[in-house]
Amino acid sequence: AQTVTQSQPEMSVQEAETVTLSCTYDTSENNYYLFWYKQPPSRQMILVIRQEAYKQQNATENRFSVNFQKAAKSFSLKISDSQLGDTAMYFCAFMKLYGGSQGNLIFGKGTKLSVKP
Amino acid sequence: KAGVTQTPRYLIKTRGQQVTLSCSPISGHRSVSWYQQTPGQGLQFLFEYFSETQRNKGNFPGRFSGRQFSNSRSEMNVSTLELGDSALYLCASSLGGYQETQYFGPGTRLLVL
Repeated sequence: AQTVTQSQPEMSVQEAETVTLSCTYDTSENNYYLFWYKQPPSRQMILVIRQEAYKQQNATENRFSVNFQKAAKSFSLKISDSQLGDTAMYFCAFMKLYGGSQGNLIFGKGTKLSVKP
Repeated sequence: KAGVTQTPRYLIKTRGQQVTLSCSPISGHRSVSWYQQTPGQGLQFLFEYFSETQRNKGNFPGRFSGRQFSNSRSEMNVSTLELGDSALYLCASSLGGYQETQYFGPGTRLLVL
């Protein structure tokens, strides 16, 4: 079975600074996707970034980028130039491709990020 | 395009009752997944439907069931409610392929008294 671990329950960062959220996962699969989702206090879960395991290049989306280390099974999220609107719970998620895994995202416990002015 | 919608947003029930939650996916999306979110257990997968068929199921008791209609709208039903069923129930939709990203609705907050 796959597991996702986020070792930082809470983090804080000053506005305009950079912060990195950690995520490790355990799987014997070779084909999978990894995601970071953001859940602001309003509760709407929003996709931040997605990484396909077969791609060596790290995904980026504006101020958000990942450091994907497949051999180490590590998938960290870097937020640059942090903004007050980045305050939220951040969830790392794993999805196995194929083998009856349709629609099944496996989530970590989340990291609560607070951006301070 | 309109996002994923869920109704109702809030619900209060008593133990032993049953409840039905509704989810309307993004237009064109044929897959709907359901998740339960609690402070203790985090986010847990309930089941996934595609073209009116359940393709995948998580480890929840049979009291939790679902269905999907021909327009891709989905309902989730919980019978004989227990206090531990109090949670935020999220649904997510996708196009349905293995590589498709899921997009989440705002959730239904269920409180069981």
